[in-house]
Amino acid sequence: AAGVIQSPRHLIKEKRETATLKCYPIPRHDTVYWYQQGPGQDPQFLISFYEKMQSDKGSIPDRFSAQQFSDYHSELNMSSLELGDSALYFCASSAKGPNTGELFFGEGSRLTVL
Amino acid sequence: ILNVEQSPQSLHVQEGDSTNFTCSFPSSNFYALHWYRWETAKSPEALFVMTLNGDEKKKGRISATLNTKEGYSYLYIKGSQPEDSATYLCAFRSTNAGKSTFGDGTTLTVKP
Repeated sequence: AAGVIQSPRHLIKEKRETATLKCYPIPRHDTVYWYQQGPGQDPQFLISFYEKMQSDKGSIPDRFSAQQFSDYHSELNMSSLELGDSALYFCASSAKGPNTGELFFGEGSRLTVL
Repeated sequence: ILNVEQSPQSLHVQEGDSTNFTCSFPSSNFYALHWYRWETAKSPEALFVMTLNGDEKKKGRISATLNTKEGYSYLYIKGSQPEDSATYLCAFRSTNAGKSTFGDGTTLTVKP
């Protein structure tokens, strides 16, 4: 069965550069969530999208932006990267319609800022 | 805005201790409640999905209960082990929302 696909799996950038992470939800899933987990830190909710509209916003820095496209994939854009942005970024999706709303998580994208 | 709260925010216990924590959610329009375990540097693991008032689910040493009338779920861990150290997230799904609302999580640290 198809799972949530995140790309790239690993990314190395330098300070002040820009990075883009992509998330491809499971087919027919309309909701996407982004989480950040820094080294040794608790996961932090960043932002979520439902039917291509931003639905909830968490601890997402102003330097970051995200959107969900017409095919339901989502991109997280991070600019002016800082060392503290080094983290695992997880994306999750859930299905359309009335259902229990179980989230399916991707394997994560590891961003290293040098 | 749906308010989902988890308490405590963090918990430190000794190996062998039993522990429990709480997820509070709106008591109206309940559809489902999920518990996830999130270990550092790993994808979260789905533990339980609970849909009926009075549900009790068990997975090894971990169990959960659900009270939809008063809007809370408890997660219990019996005889905590260091490998139980993780952040435990609950997610609430209402009947009239197309998305789930997460709590901020309870971070459990089990010391050997």
